[in-house]
Amino acid sequence: GAGVSQSPRYKVTKRGQDVALRCDPISGHVSLYWYRQALGQGPEFLTYFNYEAQQDKSGLPNDRFSAERPEGSISTLTIQRTEQRDSAMYRCASSLALRVLLAKQETQYFGPGTRLLVL
Amino acid sequence: AQTVTQSQPEMSVQEAETVTLSCTYDTSENNYYLFWYKQPPSRQMILVIRQEAYKQQNATENRFSVNFQKAAKSFSLKISDSQLGDTAMYFCAFMKSRYVGSSNTGKLIFGQGTTLQVKP
Repeated sequence: GAGVSQSPRYKVTKRGQDVALRCDPISGHVSLYWYRQALGQGPEFLTYFNYEAQQDKSGLPNDRFSAERPEGSISTLTIQRTEQRDSAMYRCASSLALRVLLAKQETQYFGPGTRLLVL
Repeated sequence: AQTVTQSQPEMSVQEAETVTLSCTYDTSENNYYLFWYKQPPSRQMILVIRQEAYKQQNATENRFSVNFQKAAKSFSLKISDSQLGDTAMYFCAFMKSRYVGSSNTGKLIFGQGTTLQVKP
């Protein structure tokens, strides 16, 4: 089956513009995560959805960042009034997580990422 | 808070040889999962291997195996018969186990990564 997909793969924008990044998880996956990865660093957690409910947004850096998953499938991460420091790779991951005590179901599968460059 | 440390920023190995990447972590949790992910030059994030903390047996996946030392909080990755396609950045990651009704969200905490170069 298809893996996690993200679009766009690359986004160049000017400072001050809004951007929307899309994530289409693996079909049937309950949990969805957004991470941000700077070059040469490991990914850092941004936010988490359980079905359509955003249950953890503790990693969002400020109120310019928001995310939604209205129907429990596709998710959108929106960055308003972008700044140069927002430039990074934004990754989405999903896991089945129907039975959270099973490692196989807790394994997160990552999309290819969206590389964002703010000029 | 949990932390994950990869103390080897860069490593190299000759093709067909064996290499071990180190990872240590700090946690007060007793139940958790550990993962190794691979990030080749294409910057995809690919699962290599996973380990449940309650299992004493070390996980293996073909040429990849781990040495999990729970008391020492160590989780190293051994790659046998290294291939050119193993050239990548490798990330160690930690996840707290979730329980029904818990508030834990299952987020991954990553180390800084180790860049592995396999030389012909």
